[in-house]
Amino acid sequence: GENVEQHPSTLSVQEGDSAVIKCTYSDSASNYFPWYKQELGKRPQLIIDIRSNVGEKKDQRIAVTLNKTAKHFSLHITETQPEDSAVYFCAARVDSNYQLIWGAGTKLIIKP
Amino acid sequence: NAGVTQTPKFQVLKTGQSMTLQCAQDMNHEYMSWYRQDPGMGLRLIHYSVGAGITDQGEVPNGYNVSRSTTEDFPLRLLSAAPSQTSVYFCASSNWVLGRSVNTEAFFGQGTRLTVV
Repeated sequence: GENVEQHPSTLSVQEGDSAVIKCTYSDSASNYFPWYKQELGKRPQLIIDIRSNVGEKKDQRIAVTLNKTAKHFSLHITETQPEDSAVYFCAARVDSNYQLIWGAGTKLIIKP
Repeated sequence: NAGVTQTPKFQVLKTGQSMTLQCAQDMNHEYMSWYRQDPGMGLRLIHYSVGAGITDQGEVPNGYNVSRSTTEDFPLRLLSAAPSQTSVYFCASSNWVLGRSVNTEAFFGQGTRLTVV
């Protein structure tokens, strides 16, 4: 079955710098890759997603890139701000399957 | 739309007690699921349902039961609480439909922080 590995588990960056979180997946049939943000004490919420027919997707300061050959995808946050501090989860799924397979999460700390 | 409503928000149980965590969604989603979240372990799937009357086990089902009598509701029952079940529980729903590449964002409830003493 699908397995998703996420790195690093904790990432500390200076405010204004960029942050990159990486995930690898094992099932080459996976074709949907969302990223969720979970602020402290809150529920996870979708921030961006990408399908396998696209190599990159941007939404303001966040972007996701996908390398199907290497089976990895990454979340990029530019010009980080204090409100970016949260736990970020990646996930992968095959469209014909209902189940999202989750990474273990990355705690992003923005240092003032 | 209220989205996914999950109750209670906090609960303390004694070992051996039973309880039901409630989950309801008003988005007419077929797919619903329950996760537990423990530090450093991400989201682990307990049980899920692809429609009314259909449930199945996820990664960590032991000690939990579910039912899906309606599209809207998906309660999670702890049969005999154990300290190992101390966790944060999330219910989620999505508009997944077999064979269709539709928007399948997972919407989460607010979570239940459960402590078993």
